Amino acid sequence: KQEVTQIPAALSVPEGENLVLNCSFTDSAIYNLQWFRQDPGKGLTSLLLIQSSQREQTSGRLNASLDKSSGRSTLYIAASQPGDSATYLCAVRWGSGAGSYQLTFGKGTKLSVIP
Amino acid sequence: DTGVSQDPRHKITKRGQNVTFRCDPISEHNRLYWYRQTLGQGPEFLTYFQNEAQLEKSRLLSDRFSAERPKGSFSTLEIQRTEQGDSAMYLCASIGAGLTAFFGQGTRLTVV
Repeated sequence: KQEVTQIPAALSVPEGENLVLNCSFTDSAIYNLQWFRQDPGKGLTSLLLIQSSQREQTSGRLNASLDKSSGRSTLYIAASQPGDSATYLCAVRWGSGAGSYQLTFGKGTKLSVIP
Repeated sequence: DTGVSQDPRHKITKRGQNVTFRCDPISEHNRLYWYRQTLGQGPEFLTYFQNEAQLEKSRLLSDRFSAERPKGSFSTLEIQRTEQGDSAMYLCASIGAGLTAFFGQGTRLTVV
């Protein structure tokens, strides 16, 4: 069974700071890893997808890395802004057998960027 | 809007009533997932469809829960004899050839 852990559970930073969110998973046999953003009471917005063969992906101020062998991923946010305040979720896609694939999520990191 | 659409957005029901939620995935996405999310937790997997075939169901999905995707397009999730513990956000996601999972805005269920 795949388990995903995100550290820290909450993070508060002043505006303009660079920050790193961490995600770890127990089974390295994954197909891909995806980072999402969730605003309060809303659905999930996809930020970055990293395939198992890739080491990192970048989109604007966001950079996600993947070290499959050690079961770790990081999301780096540069020059944080108050609008970045949200919960960030990490999810891994893995084969759960019989042609089925699950996305297993961590509990998320709640980010607050203070103006 | 070509994203994943869920209906209704909010549902308040009395304990013991049946409720049904609908999910319209992105057109031509053959994989569809249902998740449940409670406050402060990450989404938990409920069930997965590839086209019209339901390939996996979580043990979280008790006998009171049933999901269908009759023509491989939209999907419904029904909860019979609702309990207060069913109160949660129910999320639907679809995945196509690009492998990125796209989520809808969710249906928030409150059982009173």
